Amino acid sequence: DSGVTQTPKHLITATGQRVTLRCSPRSGDLSVYWYQQSLDQGLQFLIQYYNGEERAKGNILERFSAQQFPDLHSELNLSSLELGDSALYFCASSVAGQGNGELFFGEGSRLTVL
Amino acid sequence: GQQVMQIPQYQHVQEGEDFTTYCNSSTTLSNIQWYKQRPGGHPVFLIQLVKSGEVKKQKRLTFQFGEAKKNSSLHITATQTTDVGTYFCAGSDVRAGFQKLVFGTGTRLLVSP
Repeated sequence: DSGVTQTPKHLITATGQRVTLRCSPRSGDLSVYWYQQSLDQGLQFLIQYYNGEERAKGNILERFSAQQFPDLHSELNLSSLELGDSALYFCASSVAGQGNGELFFGEGSRLTVL
Repeated sequence: GQQVMQIPQYQHVQEGEDFTTYCNSSTTLSNIQWYKQRPGGHPVFLIQLVKSGEVKKQKRLTFQFGEAKKNSSLHITATQTTDVGTYFCAGSDVRAGFQKLVFGTGTRLLVSP
């Protein structure tokens, strides 16, 4: 158990819909990262937050948005969903705001778009 | 943008054989991290290397960071079935100041008993 909690674990929805994925970081961790992993693919960096502020952005689509709240939990919003958005979405947390510390990953949210 | 490639993409070995995966970045890295993802699981941190030419060992695993800080390798001696999984390297572009940890394409290892 990494201490990072992601909900929901599984989500099935239709094209054009909007979903929200939630992540609670480990206690004491200020940084939250979101990654997308398509079937048998690598981990695509989406976005990073540190203590409520956006710190780095990857190849995140304009249809996707995220935020980190004062209690440090984070949400990833995916809208106008397409079939290609089906993937495993991982949240990870770390103590520091810089990418030079261990990332602790949650178990992921598996999104299926039909 | 920064790209991190790993080779091979896939390797199938017999238990007891050695295994090596190589990680190559298009840019100079501040550090390199290695993660292991078991089938159906989430990535788990293995190690971080920071210094040019650094070598670290964890039991049967040997990690190396290249002199130019653009490549790295993970070598497993005498593989066991518990080594099955996908191994990812991850690095931060030195120009980005440690931000934006980019993962490599991964190497999937299958070990037959």
